[in-house]
Amino acid sequence: GESVGLHLPTLSVQEGDNSIINCAYSNSASDYFIWYKQESGKGPQFIIDIRSNMDKRQGQRVTVLLNKTVKHLSLQIAATQPGDSAVYFCAENNNAGNMLTFGGGTRLMVKP
Amino acid sequence: EAQVTQNPRYLITVTGKKLTVTCSQNMNHEYMSWYRQDPGLGLRQIYYSMNVEVTDKGDVPEGYKVSRKEKRNFPLILESPSPNQTSLYFCASSLSGTGPEAFFGQGTRLTVV
Repeated sequence: GESVGLHLPTLSVQEGDNSIINCAYSNSASDYFIWYKQESGKGPQFIIDIRSNMDKRQGQRVTVLLNKTVKHLSLQIAATQPGDSAVYFCAENNNAGNMLTFGGGTRLMVKP
Repeated sequence: EAQVTQNPRYLITVTGKKLTVTCSQNMNHEYMSWYRQDPGLGLRQIYYSMNVEVTDKGDVPEGYKVSRKEKRNFPLILESPSPNQTSLYFCASSLSGTGPEAFFGQGTRLTVV
């Protein structure tokens, strides 16, 4: 498959543990944030999103936290599974709503 | 099946030889965009389109052109490719610009020699 990046920050967790992936965003005017998962050889896949009027949103096994004060976003994955191994990107959508700016990505490796 | 289809998946070309990477979506999405992905730089938006005949520059538009003559197609055109355009390219679509870009294509690996 295609390699996403050679020097990505890497988070290694044991299967069953919780994972926390962090992201700092740059634009204080951004009002919408998205987390994507990218597996080897595939395009990014939407995981969860959050608007700036919220500070927490939960999905099936994922939770996104937004701290606008320090411009920080995190993705929490509960009971991490081997299938969660991938590169995770945060993206911010500016006020105009037309463009997404992606972070550099974090590689999550799940040890069985 | 809802999908975004890019072609080709892999392409090796020579400097200066015009090429087009096609992108098609079958979801009647209004918003489409192109990204390039490079090691250490993540995904960067090249161009986007809010609807037919409406296109705008993203963060890195230099050396690229796009067109949106019909809703389903959004080709990326490199009039005179250069080696610094060697990259992994993704097309994406969503219902609207303010919604999640829920659908990405499989990617096109372009090498310009």
